[in-house]
Amino acid sequence: SQQGEEDPQALSIQEGENATMNCSYKTSINNLQWYRQNSGRGLVHLILIRSNEREKHSGRLRVTLDTSKKSSSLLITASRAADTASYFCAANSNSGYALNFGKGTSLLVTP
Amino acid sequence: DTAVSQTPKYLVTQMGNDKSIKCEQNLGHDTMYWYKQDSKKFLKIMFSYNNKELIINETVPNRFSPKSPDKAHLNLHINSLELGDSAVYFCASSQESDSNEQYFGPGTRLTVT
Repeated sequence: SQQGEEDPQALSIQEGENATMNCSYKTSINNLQWYRQNSGRGLVHLILIRSNEREKHSGRLRVTLDTSKKSSSLLITASRAADTASYFCAANSNSGYALNFGKGTSLLVTP
Repeated sequence: DTAVSQTPKYLVTQMGNDKSIKCEQNLGHDTMYWYKQDSKKFLKIMFSYNNKELIINETVPNRFSPKSPDKAHLNLHINSLELGDSAVYFCASSQESDSNEQYFGPGTRLTVT
């Protein structure tokens, strides 16, 4: 069954604004990962947060994790037109097993 | 030096045909996967495979079968193609570790007419 559920499904902002996407999952996890997919391309790993971490930063990305609520958020600060893509969260329960992806948030950043 | 590659990138075929999609990874990873992404961008795992174990998503029809000639390759064979098989198929790989970060291929867009 699908684990991750992102919201919003679609988000449209202007360059320079911040974009926040949320994700909920259903079962216990080792870590939660965020991926990006540009139109017509494969997914690219952005950032991973472990179950014992609450917040993680990578460049303009900030991820939070609340295991009590089984939720995570991805914040992209000072967005750029090049950030336009779909963003997926993926719950990882076990090594060597498939990730459970959410349905994605489609982000449009207009110049 | 592409990490995970798939061929072909596009595949158009008629119902009832049998087709294969190839996947290769040069990362030395232990585990490979096939995912299906539908028109709503919903990504669903089809198979995961390493040297020890093939895990099949029980919802995948047995017309789909993975074949791994070696650790670096996991091909997807599809028999008796149906209209509903139209989708983008992604191969991925990962190293067996706590992180399980996955590396994706560029995808194969399959259109069944």
